[in-house]
Amino acid sequence: NAGVTQTPKFQVLKTGQSMTLQCAQDMNHNSMYWYRQDPGMGLRLIYYSASEGTTDKGEVPNGYNVSRLNKREFSLRLESAAPSQTSVYFCASSGPAGGRLDTQYFGPGTRLTVL
Amino acid sequence: SQQGEEDPQALSIQEGENATMNCSYKTSINNLQWYRQNSGRGLVHLILIRSNEREKHSGRLRVTLDTSKKSSSLLITASRAADTASYFCATALLQGAQKLVFGQGTRLTINP
Repeated sequence: NAGVTQTPKFQVLKTGQSMTLQCAQDMNHNSMYWYRQDPGMGLRLIYYSASEGTTDKGEVPNGYNVSRLNKREFSLRLESAAPSQTSVYFCASSGPAGGRLDTQYFGPGTRLTVL
Repeated sequence: SQQGEEDPQALSIQEGENATMNCSYKTSINNLQWYRQNSGRGLVHLILIRSNEREKHSGRLRVTLDTSKKSSSLLITASRAADTASYFCATALLQGAQKLVFGQGTRLTINP
């Protein structure tokens, strides 16, 4: 099993450009998450999807949109990138549904720079 | 705002010594988890302790939880160079299930 995979690993954008970060998991998890990590800080939740067909805002959703394409895939879109969105983005997934919080499994991250 | 705050922000010890990291949080929780992040990598889950538990062990890891003080500690015994990493606590809140709130992390360096 590959676990959680993310593409691309690195990306450089110019201000105003758009892009989509892709995430996929092969653990049959119901829940998926997008975080950003800025230097010297912990992870902050952008959006999450408790189950296929649902998405909810996290702590810092402004400037982002998400799509839960199917149970395996959860994408994060930046419609008009800004320098403040320069960060490392992590996707994660977790197991059983029904409101029970399980441990999360993380992808390797996407390092995004917006010029 | 960050739910968890970790102390110290950085810790440097000699190989073989024990390392202790602390985490404080603000609101009632369902459980608290510790994660490790090696440089440039994703986070890896280490251990989970539920709000009705006071202590938990996993190999060289020992976690305590004091809900009255809203604090937790992670002890790594007999440290190794491979333990060099950042360690994060994450709290699962009573409401808003399936969301973790992470602290800012402790950067641990093990010197050979």
